Amino acid sequence: DTAVSQTPKYLVTQMGNDKSIKCEQNLGHDTMYWYKQDSKKFLKIMFSYNNKELIINETVPNRFSPKSPDKAHLNLHINSLELGDSAVYFCASSKDSTGGQPQHFGDGTRLSIL
Amino acid sequence: KQEVTQIPAALSVPEGENLVLNCSFTDSAIYNLQWFRQDPGKGLTSLLLIQSSQREQTSGRLNASLDKSSGRSTLYIAASQPGDSATYLCAVSGFQKLVFGTGTRLLVSP
Repeated sequence: DTAVSQTPKYLVTQMGNDKSIKCEQNLGHDTMYWYKQDSKKFLKIMFSYNNKELIINETVPNRFSPKSPDKAHLNLHINSLELGDSAVYFCASSKDSTGGQPQHFGDGTRLSIL
Repeated sequence: KQEVTQIPAALSVPEGENLVLNCSFTDSAIYNLQWFRQDPGKGLTSLLLIQSSQREQTSGRLNASLDKSSGRSTLYIAASQPGDSATYLCAVSGFQKLVFGTGTRLLVSP
């Protein structure tokens, strides 16, 4: 059973397009996250949601819009894709948002912009 | 602002060696510290989590220590194997978010 699952695993698209990445967790966790791993492999948080409410937005361009229809799902929609958006995007979840609980990660979505 | 640094950036050892990976962080107000493993093209696998009140955690051949006051953690890998080859990331947990280190790329040769 996959705990945190992301789709698609790979995404190749043209500059200027709009795309979405989906994430689902079956751990019963309250908190979900999106991270970006750049070409130098550095991982940085983008967003965090707790019980469908946005709690962290780390100065991400407003072309990125997360949506949490319920606490088990956190999707990421990206408008007007740019070359610099090429990266691996990881979804994660934790039991709560305090920071005291371990985070569990999905396998990542590899986004390539042509 | 929390900054996390890992040394060395890359490490190559022959099979069987014991090795130490280092992680340092600038703000000691943390909830916990996690060590992750990332294989090429794969996601992150959590190896060990040390709560801020703990000094160390062990799992099999892995031992992680935490010295919160000095802002340091080490991951000790005993009797390394080729299957240990991966990138190792440490991440410190402040309020509501993880801050990741720069990673150590480990290669264990047979």
